[in-house]
Amino acid sequence: EVQLVESGGGLVQPGRSLRLSCAASGFTFDDYAMHWVRQAPGKGLEWVSGISWNSGSIGYADSVKGRFTISRDNAKNSLYLQMNSLRAEDTALYYCAKAALGEYYFDYWGQGTLVTVSS
Amino acid sequence: QLVLTQSPSASASLGASVKLTCTLSSGHSSYAIAWHQQQPEKGPRYLMKLNSDGSHSKGDGIPDRFSGSSSGAERYLTISSLQSEDEADYYCQTWGTGIQGVFGGGTKLTVL
Repeated sequence: EVQLVESGGGLVQPGRSLRLSCAASGFTFDDYAMHWVRQAPGKGLEWVSGISWNSGSIGYADSVKGRFTISRDNAKNSLYLQMNSLRAEDTALYYCAKAALGEYYFDYWGQGTLVTVSS
Repeated sequence: QLVLTQSPSASASLGASVKLTCTLSSGHSSYAIAWHQQQPEKGPRYLMKLNSDGSHSKGDGIPDRFSGSSSGAERYLTISSLQSEDEADYYCQTWGTGIQGVFGGGTKLTVL
């Protein structure tokens, strides 16, 4: 059974940093691209960032480019999102999502971790 | 620019059928999309990938009541024999050049 478990969320002041993690199990992690998607309170889904199976290709939404860094550790079956210079508008539930094999759509999602940016 | 457009809301009666629409922006009518369901207070769930020719592949455990079809730049999700648990937000998703994800604004489905 595919499982994606996010962690690392919390309350953080504007301008500070936070690192999210996603622990994956139930599939061969290093075969698949992985993504982060967020959802602000009461809003829709917003793609944040994605990384290919070997970290050779990475993409970011314009809203986070230059502030967020995605990475993965295939030996640990883990995905990360380093978030720097956080803003109030980054407040959201952050989901880890697995891409289908060789595809760019997401076939499994985690339950999310909440990030609140507030002073 | 690659954009997906969805109606904000839809409604249909218990046991009836409903057809949700996702429209691809001009110049992108050949793109495949994926449909995702988000029930209240839950994480999203993948429903299906839908190609421009209407062929689709569903996720694990997705009932036959859910089907997809395409016409030009429109991508449809049809839910038949509506059940109360189908009341949810439905999002379409596609991808641009390289690793660039795009979501539609979502459609909130109310089952009457």
